[in-house]
Amino acid sequence: AQSVTQPDIHITVSEGASLELRCNYSYGATPYLFWYVQSPGQGLQLLLKYFSGDTLVQGIKGFEAEFKRSQSSFNLRKPSVHWSDAAEYFCAVVDRGSTLGRLYFGRGTQLTVWP
Amino acid sequence: EPEVTQTPSHQVTQMGQEVILRCVPISNHLYFYWYRQILGQKVEFLVSFYNNEISEKSEIFDDQFSVERPDGSNFTLKIRSTKLEDSAMYFCASSLRQGYGYTFGSGTRLTVV
Repeated sequence: AQSVTQPDIHITVSEGASLELRCNYSYGATPYLFWYVQSPGQGLQLLLKYFSGDTLVQGIKGFEAEFKRSQSSFNLRKPSVHWSDAAEYFCAVVDRGSTLGRLYFGRGTQLTVWP
Repeated sequence: EPEVTQTPSHQVTQMGQEVILRCVPISNHLYFYWYRQILGQKVEFLVSFYNNEISEKSEIFDDQFSVERPDGSNFTLKIRSTKLEDSAMYFCASSLRQGYGYTFGSGTRLTVV
């Protein structure tokens, strides 16, 4: 069965510290991969996406993610976290073979940033 | 930057009432979606819509739900007879191509009492 796993429900980091949010997927073939961020009361904003090519993807707000096929992972990173990064982060995938484009989401990781 | 607009942002309704959630997708997008997020749970797919018909629906999208694109700009989700368990944040999304990139609206928080 298709699944997206974000093993960390809640992460707390200090401002200025580095961040890595984990995402693993279970699919027959490499899906399209996405990271979204949701600030309180806001919608889902796309941070970055991976379709093919360079496995290190740059996104908005200084975020990057690395696709590792051998580990079925697409972890999100940021070298230095800002207080405004506090939000919920969702990893999502689309089955590359699908003609329908349905997104499957992980449960999300809540990020708290200490000043 | 183009946006997907959802109205209302919050809606409270009594159990058994009908609600219509409205969305204005990005104007040149062709694929439209509804997702929902029950508090504390993951975002779940409800339905996708293309070429004026449903292209896929999840097991959640039963006969109580319907979607419509009545005038070429709006995309609506109707819940005919709301239940307590329909309380959730409902997100509309649109994309130009399937699987390529999705723009989400800010959501409508539906509370059924």
